[in-house]
Amino acid sequence: DGGITQSPKYLFRKEGQNVTLSCEQNLNHDAMYWYRQDPGQGLRLIYYSQIVNDFQKGDIAEGYSVSREKKESFPLTVTSAQKNPTAFYLCASSISTVLLPGETQYFGPGTRLLVL
Amino acid sequence: ILNVEQSPQSLHVQEGDSTNFTCSFPSSNFYALHWYRWETAKSPEALFVMTLNGDEKKKGRISATLNTKEGYSYLYIKGSQPEDSATYLCAFISTSGTYKYIFGTGTRLKVLA
Repeated sequence: DGGITQSPKYLFRKEGQNVTLSCEQNLNHDAMYWYRQDPGQGLRLIYYSQIVNDFQKGDIAEGYSVSREKKESFPLTVTSAQKNPTAFYLCASSISTVLLPGETQYFGPGTRLLVL
Repeated sequence: ILNVEQSPQSLHVQEGDSTNFTCSFPSSNFYALHWYRWETAKSPEALFVMTLNGDEKKKGRISATLNTKEGYSYLYIKGSQPEDSATYLCAFISTSGTYKYIFGTGTRLKVLA
């Protein structure tokens, strides 16, 4: 089955620690995205990647870093510089960032990050 | 700053009731409006892709309409069932910028048996 997997489902971070959230897709999509969800807010874009070895900052990139070494994988690192990391993180992909009519984004099941 | 509003934030309906909710978006630079259904512990899934003013889409008991001139879309559920319980997200896609998706906060629907 084609889809997007995210791991782990829950992640605990200690103060001052970096953690990495995994996102893998087997849809052969060029574009991948990371979103953050906080209570009462819409999904906000952290980073996106249009193609391997390329990525761009979204609206709330501070305190996060990403890499795109393989088409299938787009890991997100939450660094110690992110002062309020507790949130739900969703990874998504699409054929490209230029959406043709009828195309949508496909989402993973998400990772909930909690700071201890 | 582009803003996408959804209302109501949440609602409870009885099984068999029909319901509807709203997504409001900027009326300029419109490219598309997507509706997603997001069940608890699952991934959001696309319901409808709406691109033309006056579009009306239907999938079973769920339908959606689009008014790009005034900047709103309605989602209707006829004869709600408990399995319709989910959060319904809309996403406005603008012709300006690169990634272009602006999500609303969602409407959380609970259908009571």
